[in-house]
This record gives sequence, structure tokens and C-alpha cells, in this order.
Amino acid sequence: SQKIEQNSEALNIQEGKTATLTCNYTNYSPAYLQWYRQDPGRGPVFLLLIRENEKEKRKERLKVTFDTTLKQSLFHITASQPADSATYLCALDQTGANNLFFGTGTRLTVIP
Amino acid sequence: EAGVVQSPRYKIIEKKQPVAFWCNPISGHNTLYWYLQNLGQGPELLIRYENEEAVDDSQLPKDRFSAERLKGVDSTLKIQPAELGDSAVYLCASSPGDSQETQYFGPGTRLLVL
Repeated sequence: SQKIEQNSEALNIQEGKTATLTCNYTNYSPAYLQWYRQDPGRGPVFLLLIRENEKEKRKERLKVTFDTTLKQSLFHITASQPADSATYLCALDQTGANNLFFGTGTRLTVIP
Repeated sequence: EAGVVQSPRYKIIEKKQPVAFWCNPISGHNTLYWYLQNLGQGPELLIRYENEEAVDDSQLPKDRFSAERLKGVDSTLKIQPAELGDSAVYLCASSPGDSQETQYFGPGTRLLVL
């Protein structure tokens, strides 16, 4: 069966450290993978997209890697801040037609 | 630029009652999505529209759920009759189409069925 697993339900880290979130998938062959941020009571907000032929993407303090052999994406937030506290969702698109399948999310808490 | 607008933000109904949610996508966005999000889970697609045409409704429980997107702009999602298990957040999203992959989400409607 198809699965998208994010490493843990919750992750606590100290301010200033690098947060690393994991997204593993089974029985998908995604054309690309996206990461979204979701705050309580709000809809998800797009952060980064990485295509199957790309190894790494960066945007300010954010970095995403994509390993299609391991079927895994890693999402890094460097120099983390309390304002980074939120739930982070990975989403896969198999066809490139923008039909997204979401993981369950990881709730990140950055402790001051 | 205004984002995706949804109403109501919250709805409490008794089981077996009907309920409707409304979505106004970002101006110019041809593609509109309705998602269901249960507590602690990621969004799950219910239906996708390209303009006024439903191009993917395979996950929509058609015995009780219906949706429409008249004139290819606003959309309404309806549940009739609602069941206890329908309690969740209903998210609407839109994207420009033309191979633009980013989806823009509204704040969602939180439904509680008693």
C-alpha cells in the first residue's frame, strides 16, 4: 500500500539549532515533492518544491534534499527560532498534474 | 492580493442535518481543490476542479457529499446528511493551472457534528 511517513509526530529543539524533519514514502514515484507549513487554525502554506531530478533546494534558512533511491526527503531549518514552531507537512505529486498526497506532519517546537 | 476565502470558519450541527461550505479562490486561479483534514493528519483530496469541470472526484463519498463550481469561480461543498465521522476541517485550495504546482490554501471550515 502507499504510505507517506514523517519521522515523528513532534520534535522539540533548542533555539539556534538546526531542525531536521524526515519524509519517507512507499509505493510512490513522485515527479516532485513539496513542503508546507501549517499553523494552528490555518491552512497549509507552501515553502519549497523539489523535483525528482534535483538533489537539493535552498531558500533562506530552509534546505530540502530529495533522494529517490532512499525514497526520502529531508527538510532542514537552520538557526531555528521560536517563530518556526509549527506543523510541517510533506506532499508528493506522482504525475506532475498537481495532485498532492500529504504526510501526517511533524509538529516542531523551538524552545527559547 | 486576497487569499483563498472560506466561510463559515466554524459550524456546529446535529447529525443527519445538511451543511454547506463556500470557497472563493484567488482571482485568476483555474484549479480549485477541496480537502478533508482530520485532527493530527495531513489533508486528503476530496475533489479537484479545472475551471467548472470536476476532473478528480474519486475520493468524494458521493452518497452524501456533493460539490459544484458554477462559472468556474466560487465553489460549494455540501454534506447531506452529516454523520458524526464527518467532524473535521474542510480546506479549499487553488492554483493558477498552467503547470504551476504551488497550492494556496484557505483557512478552512471546522465542522463539528453532534
